[in-house]
Amino acid sequence: SQQGEEDPQALSIQEGENATMNCSYKTSINNLQWYRQNSGRGLVHLILIRSNEREKHSGRLRVTLDTSKKSSSLLITASRAADTASYFCATVLWGTSGSRLTFGEGTQLTVNP
Amino acid sequence: NAGVTQTPKFQVLKTGQSMTLQCAQDMNHEYMSWYRQDPGMGLRLIHYSVGAGITDQGEVPNGYNVSRSTTEDFPLRLLSAAPSQTSVYFCASRGGYNSPLHFGNGTRLTVT
Repeated sequence: SQQGEEDPQALSIQEGENATMNCSYKTSINNLQWYRQNSGRGLVHLILIRSNEREKHSGRLRVTLDTSKKSSSLLITASRAADTASYFCATVLWGTSGSRLTFGEGTQLTVNP
Repeated sequence: NAGVTQTPKFQVLKTGQSMTLQCAQDMNHEYMSWYRQDPGMGLRLIHYSVGAGITDQGEVPNGYNVSRSTTEDFPLRLLSAAPSQTSVYFCASRGGYNSPLHFGNGTRLTVT
């Protein structure tokens, strides 16, 4: 079963608006990562937030993590048409056989020019 | 660096045929993995490897075999293809535990 669940499944906004995507998970994690996937391509890493961090910024991206609620959010500010893509959260848990990433189903973001 | 390279990009198989999806990385990453991506199901881990000679099963390993004879290569074998294996397959690698995954561009497989 999927560890992370993104919400909403699809989001359509106008260029210049902010886009917020949420991710909920079920078990303890060591870190949480957000990835982007353009149509027909592989996933590209955006940002990683450790379990002891609450907020992280990278350019127009802002990620928050609330381990008590087992949730994370990705905010893209001042969106552009080029931000149109699918966005996935991935939870990471370290174990005796290494670390395993578990992906959610993704949010399809469409930014209209 | 080329990063993670997957071949072929597209493949059509008949039920029962076998094939190998190739994956190579030039970043000297110890960890490599295979995912399949299906509509509405996100990415699911098939097999992974934490170093040459070491492999382990992921969430959906049935019908797939892997081996890791070198650090660079991590091929995925379908022994007897089934229509349920129609999917897009991604290979990914990473360095340390807190390092992000680097993905290839995928192999789109159709089994008829």
